[in-house]
Amino acid sequence: NAGVMQNPRHLVRRRGQEARLRCSPMKGHSHVYWYRQLPEEGLKFMVYLQKENIIDESGMPKERFSAEFPKEGPSILRIQQVVRGDSAAYFCATQGGTEAFFGQGTRLTVV
Amino acid sequence: SQQGEEDPQALSIQEGENATMNCSYKTSINNLQWYRQNSGRGLVHLILIRSNEREKHSGRLRVTLDTSKKSSSLLITASRAADTASYFCATGPVNNAGNMLTFGGGTRLMVKP
Repeated sequence: NAGVMQNPRHLVRRRGQEARLRCSPMKGHSHVYWYRQLPEEGLKFMVYLQKENIIDESGMPKERFSAEFPKEGPSILRIQQVVRGDSAAYFCATQGGTEAFFGQGTRLTVV
Repeated sequence: SQQGEEDPQALSIQEGENATMNCSYKTSINNLQWYRQNSGRGLVHLILIRSNEREKHSGRLRVTLDTSKKSSSLLITASRAADTASYFCATGPVNNAGNMLTFGGGTRLMVKP
């Protein structure tokens, strides 16, 4: 959905570098969900944030991954010291009622 | 295994034929949704069916839900080449204050012209 904006669309990082993925929700929404999609698989929930609060991070890996949604600016999903297994598509979504609206995703490739 | 499993994993049909995809889930749900994903793109919501509904139609789409069997099916009638995409079911469990969705692994549909 064009209302949820993610950037960059494609990101290439060498092993050990940091990756920063950005997401701005639809206008009028102050929450975001981050999902990860490994090749040929479905989406897996990672974290749910509202402005300045992490509501549910039960899907986040315990190490190297963090997320924030500051009062001003986009939500950031940060992956430190990336490894090849982090290569995936990362999607951000907002929900209007029960329906989710997704951004176009950031495709992270770790080389 | 995970909530929301689709079968088949891949389906190839000729244009004009019907395509049926199935989804099974494990926990109690508030609703079940189907999404479509074109290659390299984000997901687009197709249709939602609530736990107290058994069947729903939207254009060429027909969704059924059997809560006793914890399963759903998506039927696309009179398929077109443009229907080629991956289709995912997603569930919103009852005890899920955050409303996050649980997705299945998807069915990759190819419609040959």
